[in-house]
Amino acid sequence: KQEVTQIPAALSVPEGENLVLNCSFTDSAIYNLQWFRQDPGKGLTSLLLIQSSQREQTSGRLNASLDKSSGRSTLYIAASQPGDSATYLCAVSQPTDSWGKFQFGAGTQVVVTP
Amino acid sequence: ETGVTQTPRHLVMGMTNKKSLKCEQHLGHNAMYWYKQSAKKPLELMFVYNFKEQTENNSVPSRFSPECPNSSHLFLHLHTLQPEDSALYLCASSSSLGGGAFFGQGTRLTVV
Repeated sequence: KQEVTQIPAALSVPEGENLVLNCSFTDSAIYNLQWFRQDPGKGLTSLLLIQSSQREQTSGRLNASLDKSSGRSTLYIAASQPGDSATYLCAVSQPTDSWGKFQFGAGTQVVVTP
Repeated sequence: ETGVTQTPRHLVMGMTNKKSLKCEQHLGHNAMYWYKQSAKKPLELMFVYNFKEQTENNSVPSRFSPECPNSSHLFLHLHTLQPEDSALYLCASSSSLGGGAFFGQGTRLTVV
């Protein structure tokens, strides 16, 4: 069974620092990996989707890398801002599953202080 | 606006009540999902529907009853719930063409 782990569980950084969030998974045979952001009590907002054939995706200040062989993905957020404070979740799907059937990590709670 | 709308946003119900959660997606997706998010726990997949057919029930108690009348609408009917069922219930949709999953804002359910 696929297991997804996110380290650290919580992270606090001063504004302007770069954020590095880690996600690891036990089964490298994934279909895709998706990073989400969740604000308290709210739903999930998709940030980046990486297909299994890709090694990275970028959107603005966000960059996500994928190394299937080692079972790892890293989300980089450059020049953090207080508005980046949220919980970040990574999720993986398997090739035999439907496309939204994800296994989620527990998330990394990020606080960016002014 | 994510394209996936859930109602109500908040719900308080007694253990003997019957209520329903509604999810609607405007993205033309063919698959819809119910996830449960409890405090301090990862999201748990509950049900999967693909082209209106249920393709997965992740050992969910029968007090939760899903319904998918068409590819755009998904319901979760609730009856005789327990306090431990209090959680954030999230609906998601996706397409067989790819693009990942899109989530609604969730329904915060409190069982008293």
